Formats: sequence, C-alpha cells, structure tokens
Amino acid sequence: NAGVTQTPKFQVLKTGQSMTLQCAQDMNHEYMSWYRQDPGMGLRLIHYSVGAGITDQGEVPNGYNVSRSTTEDFPLRLLSAAPSQTSVYFCASTSDGSSYNEQFFGPGTRLTVL
Amino acid sequence: RKEVEQDPGPFNVPEGATVAFNCTYSNSASQSFFWYRQDCRKEPKLLMSVYSSGNEDGRFTAQLNRASQYISLLIRDSKLSDSATYLCVVNPNTGNQFYFGTGTSLTVIP
Repeated sequence: NAGVTQTPKFQVLKTGQSMTLQCAQDMNHEYMSWYRQDPGMGLRLIHYSVGAGITDQGEVPNGYNVSRSTTEDFPLRLLSAAPSQTSVYFCASTSDGSSYNEQFFGPGTRLTVL
Repeated sequence: RKEVEQDPGPFNVPEGATVAFNCTYSNSASQSFFWYRQDCRKEPKLLMSVYSSGNEDGRFTAQLNRASQYISLLIRDSKLSDSATYLCVVNPNTGNQFYFGTGTSLTVIP
C-alpha cells in the first residue's frame, strides 16, 4: 500500500492563479480531510469528506473548494491564490468517521504564493 | 479561546532524561485524545491514543485528566531519536473534526 499520496510536493504560484492539490489513498478509507499548517497555528481543518459525494467545511474553508467523486481521491482547489494561502497542506484519511481512529497523513504540499 | 493549547517549548533535554508535556482542551465533552509526532518537514504520525485510564507504550506514558481538561505525555529515558515536535489532538465530539495543538518541540541532546 502506498498509503496517502499528495502531488505536487512543492508549488509556487502568483497571486490570482488557480491550482489543484491532488490527494489519493489506497486504503479504502471513507473519511478524508485537508489541513493547512502554519507556524504558531498548528494544523487547521479546511474541508473534509465522509464518503464519495459528501463534503463539508472545516475551520478555514474560505478560498478553497473540494470534491469527492471517488473513494480514493480528494482534490483541493485554490480558486484564486492569495499570499495568505502560503502554507504546508496535508491530506489525511481515516477508515471511517469514528473519532477514535488514527488519521494517516500524506507527505504534504509546500505552497508559496507570491 | 483555542480548542487545544500546548506549550510550544522548545524543550532541550539530555539523553536519558525524563520529560513531560501537557496539553489543555476547552470542550469538556471531548471524547477522544491523541498524541502525534511530527519530524521536521514531515507529516504527523500517530504516537499513541490517550485513554481515560491512562496508557503506556514502552518509554511513553499518556494520561488524561477530565476534571482539569488536560492530557499529558511522559517520555522516560529520552533518546536522540525522540527529537521531534509532539502534537496534541482532540476530537471535541462536535462532528468529524479533530483539533490540533500547535505542537511542542523536543530536542534531545547527546
């Protein structure tokens, strides 16, 4: 199993550009989520999905869109990049929505918006 | 008020030392608690879950104090390989959301 994979590993954007961060998992997990990690802020939940076709907002959803057309994939779209979106983005998956389950994280995408 | 608060450290300890981290949470209805470890520029990985009765895994002991709303992590006989950032994670039982602390940085010195 590859676990949770993310692409790209690094990305530089100009303000106003759009892009999609890819996330895939091969563990047949129902629950997937996107976090951003900023210095002094910890990981903050952007969006999450409890299964194919179902998504919901987390703590900091503004400026981001998600979709979940398959169990395996959960892409995160930046609609119009802003310098405030410079961050490290982690995708995570859990077998189901139980609050007791381990979250498995991808290696992260380091995004810089100029 | 933040859902989860941690002392960011840094903690610099010699090899063999015992070190403890605390983490407080704001929602008294929180039902699940974890410690994750994050190495520099890597993804977080589960270190251990925290159970009401406390639990131990080798040199690591986790405790939960519901009355005071904090969890703790004790590391005994610190190794150089324990150097990392330790993240406190809480599910406040408000849905499918986990809240992360900002992390506590530990450096074990030879």
